[in-house]
Amino acid sequence: GDSVTQMEGPVTLSEEAFLTINCTYTATGYPSLFWYVQYPGEGLQLLLKATKADDKGSNKGFEATYRKETTSFHLEKGSVQVSDSAVYFCALSKGSTLGRLYFGRGTQLTVWP
Amino acid sequence: EPEVTQTPSHQVTQMGQEVILRCVPISNHLYFYWYRQILGQKVEFLVSFYNNEISEKSEIFDDQFSVERPDGSNFTLKIRSTKLEDSAMYFCASTRRGTDEQYFGPGTRLTVT
Repeated sequence: GDSVTQMEGPVTLSEEAFLTINCTYTATGYPSLFWYVQYPGEGLQLLLKATKADDKGSNKGFEATYRKETTSFHLEKGSVQVSDSAVYFCALSKGSTLGRLYFGRGTQLTVWP
Repeated sequence: EPEVTQTPSHQVTQMGQEVILRCVPISNHLYFYWYRQILGQKVEFLVSFYNNEISEKSEIFDDQFSVERPDGSNFTLKIRSTKLEDSAMYFCASTRRGTDEQYFGPGTRLTVT
């Protein structure tokens, strides 16, 4: 069935370090791929998305490229900040409005000054 | 910016009791969802709802669960007789027509003792 496998955390980095959080997926058809972020005490916020192969989603300095050949959607940021400390979730949907999201386990990121 | 709200933020209940979790989706959204996350596990889909009826439900969403849109603004999840294993964070989400981007509330932490 459809599923998302996400890099185990927690991830601890110093400010300005490079971030990669790995995400791979299993799905039939052509899913849409998402990264959500959850800051402490808040809900899941959509960070970025990509809807087809080779699309790159980007927001707030974060990027992820939809790689169909490796079924991956890794999240990257060139220089993390303390304010990026949060839990990051990779997710997929089958592209319809009513479609459920399939989530990974989430990766806790802590950035130290 | 409009947001999804959920109440209460934390609910403690005894096993066998009924609980109702409440959500106010974004006002022009038409599609509604409930998800849950048991501590340390993935965020899991429970149910989607459109036009006053359930569109899809997961295997988790058994006869103990029900959803309702009692008025034009609220969307509720009821658990009739709670079990210890229902302890989790419950997230409500909504989306508008024509997109698969779901907007999430901050969650309700349900603790069953």
